[in-house]
Amino acid sequence: GQQVMQIPQYQHVQEGEDFTTYCNSSTTLSNIQWYKQRPGGHPVFLIQLVKSGEVKKQKRLTFQFGEAKKNSSLHITATQTTDVGTYFCAGEGNQGGKLIFGQGTELSVKP
Amino acid sequence: DTEVTQTPKHLVMGMTNKKSLKCEQHMGHRAMYWYKQKAKKPPELMFVYSYEKLSINESVPSRFSPECPNSSLLNLHLHALQPEDSALYLCASSQVGTGFFYEQYFGPGTRLTVT
Repeated sequence: GQQVMQIPQYQHVQEGEDFTTYCNSSTTLSNIQWYKQRPGGHPVFLIQLVKSGEVKKQKRLTFQFGEAKKNSSLHITATQTTDVGTYFCAGEGNQGGKLIFGQGTELSVKP
Repeated sequence: DTEVTQTPKHLVMGMTNKKSLKCEQHMGHRAMYWYKQKAKKPPELMFVYSYEKLSINESVPSRFSPECPNSSLLNLHLHALQPEDSALYLCASSQVGTGFFYEQYFGPGTRLTVT
């Protein structure tokens, strides 16, 4: 079945270091969404990418969608303790109407 | 109002109990979702309602019974659950578009423990 793979599973960084998580799909995606889930919280939508090669920025966060629309990345510059949480990518399923989530990358930031 | 509310926040139930989880949104969204999330795992889709009709059932056991009484409310009825059903149950909602998949707004979840 359709799969969305995400790496790494865990990332521990010192505050101020950069962080990147990568997402790969077994099939072409119509779009990809990114969510953040704080410890003890629920997923919160961050951004959606639709176009091939698209790059979007939100302050220290940079999101990219691959040219083939099969991969995506989230890069955080100069991490802060408020960035702690699990970041999920999610693509629309082949049959539509549902999201296929990656396994998530858990980010911890040491002050 | 961009909030999805869920009640109760926590629920402990025995394997012979019947209980219900409730979800409400007032964003005018016509798609609503139930997810199950285990610790350190991504949300796992259970059901999707679109325009109050069940559109996706991800082969969920019949001990979970969803209901969408109107466009703002979503229920999940629980009966004869197993301990392995203990998890965080998340409700979400989104707009419905033709050829476009909108972002989902998640509620805070119900932490369910089956004893």
